[in-house]
Amino acid sequence: GQQVMQIPQYQHVQEGEDFTTYCNSSTTLSNIQWYKQRPGGHPVFLIQLVKSGEVKKQKRLTFQFGEAKKNSSLHITATQTTDVGTYFCAEISGGSYIPTFGRGTSLIVHP
Amino acid sequence: DAMVIQNPRYQVTQFGKPVTLSCSQTLNHNVMYWYQQKSSQAPKLLFHYYDKDFNNEADTPDNFQSRRPNTSFCFLDIRSPGLGDAAMYLCATSRQIGQGTSYEQYFGPGTRLTVT
Repeated sequence: GQQVMQIPQYQHVQEGEDFTTYCNSSTTLSNIQWYKQRPGGHPVFLIQLVKSGEVKKQKRLTFQFGEAKKNSSLHITATQTTDVGTYFCAEISGGSYIPTFGRGTSLIVHP
Repeated sequence: DAMVIQNPRYQVTQFGKPVTLSCSQTLNHNVMYWYQQKSSQAPKLLFHYYDKDFNNEADTPDNFQSRRPNTSFCFLDIRSPGLGDAAMYLCATSRQIGQGTSYEQYFGPGTRLTVT
């Protein structure tokens, strides 16, 4: 599958500030998944978005899937030091079940 | 707890010396994946097994082979490791029904391979 573009590559924030990472694809996606990888750790599944315009929340995390199913975002409200890590989106294109990972956004939270 | 286990966690091998990494799972998932992840990069899919069916990515070097003797175990063989093969190798599983949709992947802790 075509790799989805993810920005920014790095983001430094002060604890308590908000954070957003974006994924954009040139093609219409079937689904999009989000994973978090802590430093030295392995990717951990956060959520999967399937429907056009879908918005899902997990505590301080808000996930959105664009109306055209070509983009997605992850927003963290009031970051904490426990949010540190790399957040990957993974696209699933039509007819496939294999996710293709974006480059990831590394979040650094300064206390 | 059901999980994905990888052994060893750290592996040092010499240039050109074959090495085998192992993965086991207690989730009873039918799909198992091997990824290569280099520093500050996304996981790159090498191949996966859907049940017993082996699926190789087009750009996976022939130097990389895999075996899945049963549902629970999967092995990654690197026949002649080069310096460029030093990376974290991640095993993942998913429970897949059909091929028209996708399900979450469960990753093991990874094996960090060093080639000297």
